[in-house]
Amino acid sequence: SAVISQKPSRDICQRGTSLTIQCQVDSQVTMMFWYRQQPGQSLTLIATANQGSEATYESGFVIDKFPISRPNLTFSTLTVSNMSPEDSSIYLCSVGGGRFNEQFFGPGTRLTVL
Amino acid sequence: QKEVEQDPGPLSVPEGAIVSLNCTYSNSAFQYFMWYRQYSRKGPELLMYTYSSGNKEDGRFTAQVDKSSKYISLFIRDSQPSDSATYLCAMSATRSGANSKLTFGKGITLSVRP
Repeated sequence: SAVISQKPSRDICQRGTSLTIQCQVDSQVTMMFWYRQQPGQSLTLIATANQGSEATYESGFVIDKFPISRPNLTFSTLTVSNMSPEDSSIYLCSVGGGRFNEQFFGPGTRLTVL
Repeated sequence: QKEVEQDPGPLSVPEGAIVSLNCTYSNSAFQYFMWYRQYSRKGPELLMYTYSSGNKEDGRFTAQVDKSSKYISLFIRDSQPSDSATYLCAMSATRSGANSKLTFGKGITLSVRP
């Protein structure tokens, strides 16, 4: 499986601020995804991060709120902008493709917004 | 109706019991089925995957898919305390979990009592 790291592992932020989450994988992958896991809810895809092009967002998620970068085949960032308490969640990146035939998840970033 | 419904929990069983975890789905486009295991404060870990109806066995774990009924199950034999975790079913509309959006159930928390 892939070795995936996320930074930060957790953070507590103030309303109205932004946080950038980093995702690093140990080998080149075709696909990188960003999911949100809210308490009592299903793990939900936010967007697919495409290398060299704009991210593809799922219904209900917009680029202004969740800008994503994918500068190369091993790294991506997700920014949670203008945060509110409703953004408190676990944010997970996942990877697939390249030498990986399945989708593997990082350890997650636990975000609390006060 | 949610695309994927998972039996609500939590579930508590004695060590050695056989555990049955179930999900139903409504989207007939789903053709690839996965089970992830998530320990507390960790990312989801891929446990099993299959794209055909029938059973797939891996050690103490058996994944079962019934496409005609839109129903999938995970069976755990001889359950161990180390199996205590949240189990997530996931589905894809492509014949791969690597390159596409995964749709998850809400997850069920399993506790195996020594």
